[in-house]
Amino acid sequence: GESVGLHLPTLSVQEGDNSIINCAYSNSASDYFIWYKQESGKGPQFIIDIRSNMDKRQGQRVTVLLNKTVKHLSLQIAATQPGDSAVYFCAENKSMAGGGNKLTFGTGTQLKVEL
Amino acid sequence: GAVVSQHPSRVICKSGTSVKIECRSLDFQATTMFWYRQFPKKSLMLMATSNEGSKATYEQGVEKDKFLINHASLTLSTLTVTSAHPEDSSFYICSAFPWKGGNEQFFGPGTRLTVL
Repeated sequence: GESVGLHLPTLSVQEGDNSIINCAYSNSASDYFIWYKQESGKGPQFIIDIRSNMDKRQGQRVTVLLNKTVKHLSLQIAATQPGDSAVYFCAENKSMAGGGNKLTFGTGTQLKVEL
Repeated sequence: GAVVSQHPSRVICKSGTSVKIECRSLDFQATTMFWYRQFPKKSLMLMATSNEGSKATYEQGVEKDKFLINHASLTLSTLTVTSAHPEDSSFYICSAFPWKGGNEQFFGPGTRLTVL
């Protein structure tokens, strides 16, 4: 079946270091992929997305890499800060017949930033 | 950016009662909204797609008579958990696209439902 999964449930990094969060997906038909950040008791917050015809996209302190050959997605956070502590989800988006989009979320990685 | 609100943020109810959760797009119109459910330390699971002016589309395994969805206007969708039971306790999150065909879903802050 279709699934989006993450390799590591918890990632601990030192403040100032770079963080790399990984995600594996199985549906090759996805239009694009999205990374979300979710703080405790809040809804997901959009971080960055990448279309399926791209292999890299950069934002402010974040970079997403897409390797379609091995169906792997990663989120790199540069100079990780305490405010980056949260759960990070990858999600794949598929266009639905008749219009609209549908997101399938991965299992999530808890990022803990140590001072 | 586009803002989505939910009300209430927390609700505690007795088993057997019904609870209504509202999802509003504050500064944009949304023909489509989505309802997700999230258990502690788990991922978001799509429950249903709420379509303005038509019936909601439910995901496999989600009881439509249990989770009633109404999308009466372009800025409001409601989820009613009917005859709630303790196993319905969860974090319910809605989202919306600001315009048809847009790529980014904006999520509400979530509603914590506790059924006693």
